[in-house]
Amino acid sequence: GQSLEQPSEVTAVEGAIVQINCTYQTSGFYGLSWYQQHDGGAPTFLSYNALDGLEETGRFSSFLSRSDSYGYLLLQELQMKDSASYFCAVRGTSNTGKLIFGQGTTLQVKP
Amino acid sequence: DSGVTQTPKHLITATGQRVTLRCSPRSGDLSVYWYQQSLDQGLQFLIHYYNGEERAKGNILERFSAQQFPDLHSELNLSSLELGDSALYFCASSVAGADEQFFGPGTRLTVL
Repeated sequence: GQSLEQPSEVTAVEGAIVQINCTYQTSGFYGLSWYQQHDGGAPTFLSYNALDGLEETGRFSSFLSRSDSYGYLLLQELQMKDSASYFCAVRGTSNTGKLIFGQGTTLQVKP
Repeated sequence: DSGVTQTPKHLITATGQRVTLRCSPRSGDLSVYWYQQSLDQGLQFLIHYYNGEERAKGNILERFSAQQFPDLHSELNLSSLELGDSALYFCASSVAGADEQFFGPGTRLTVL
């Protein structure tokens, strides 16, 4: 089976840097994705790591280490609008697009 | 706007009833996925269709069924509804089985 673990809540102040960790147990997967969801809204894709290492997209970066079964999302220069839930997800190596999501981390950005 | 549309936005019904949720994927996307999100819960995968064929099933209840039509829109049918079925139901689409999935705005189902 596949399971992903994330902290349930993280709090940070505006302008700061925050890291949201994701540890996983899976027999095989293509890569690790991150999605953002504002309260009641649709999840939106943020980033994807197929290979080990760091991927940077503007203020957001994502990291994957397959040997450590670990990844993280790094948010820099936090803004109030970054307050949302963040989900890591994996897609298994079976021939399907099924995504398995972590339970999500609620980020609260304070002034 | 992701390009994925879902109707209706809200649905209120009674236990024992049957409802149909509808999803139109982004233009060109052949894959459609359905997810359930209960209050304070993560996204639970229900089912994946690719170009009209079922590709994968998650922990979808036998009371739930789905299909994808030739025009690629999809419907999720929920029957014999129970209070616990109250949730947000999201549809997503992608090119084939991509990791980047585009989610619709969701249908909020309330079973009374």
